[in-house]
Amino acid sequence: GAGVSQSPRYKVAKRGQDVALRCDPISGHVSLFWYQQALGQGPEFLTYFQNEAQLDKSGLPSDRFFAERPEGSVSTLKIQRTQQEDSAVYLCASSSKTGISGNTIYFGEGSWLTVV
Amino acid sequence: DQQVKQNSPSLSVQEGRISILNCDYTNSMFDYFLWYKKYPAEGPTFLISISSIKDKNEDGRFTVFLNKSAKHLSLHIVPSQPGDSAVYFCAASRDPEYGNKLVFGAGTILRVKS
Repeated sequence: GAGVSQSPRYKVAKRGQDVALRCDPISGHVSLFWYQQALGQGPEFLTYFQNEAQLDKSGLPSDRFFAERPEGSVSTLKIQRTQQEDSAVYLCASSSKTGISGNTIYFGEGSWLTVV
Repeated sequence: DQQVKQNSPSLSVQEGRISILNCDYTNSMFDYFLWYKKYPAEGPTFLISISSIKDKNEDGRFTVFLNKSAKHLSLHIVPSQPGDSAVYFCAASRDPEYGNKLVFGAGTILRVKS
């Protein structure tokens, strides 16, 4: 596809359930980001991959959150034992370069997670 | 601790007039700033950016101004159009050559009335 694709678009999980969110970045993009956006807030950084290497995971809120990008393309964000506070939109983004300056970062439409 | 703040949750402007969206930051280490636009049910899209070595960057109807001493930036849209109605996020980054993390504000909802 032409853009960043995320699935599922909408997910309702029962508290305690594990969920997996998938991101298909733009083909050939080196950098991949995950952000979490709570209702009424701006996106908050979770983690960053350069190819298959996870270079920054400082934003992951707890050890229940795990992200991987084993072949340097598709990425999965896994949340174990979901809690109500995990309810948010999870945004994936990719870019063709590393760094931020002069580098257009393309966001997907997000995966809307509701934990009940 | 909100390092990037957008104090106006919403703004309403008449078509053809100027829209001014404001953003304040607290971290003096930030040296690269961006504005993103977001329509409902879509991801944010990049609008315009500015490096801390500049105080102004212009792209068509969009101009971003940076006041480093005040730790303040603003986005001007002239003239405003109904299609500009969206949520606007200010974002900041440090060390643009090597940093990978964007810190976002909470957003300002812009409504342009025709």
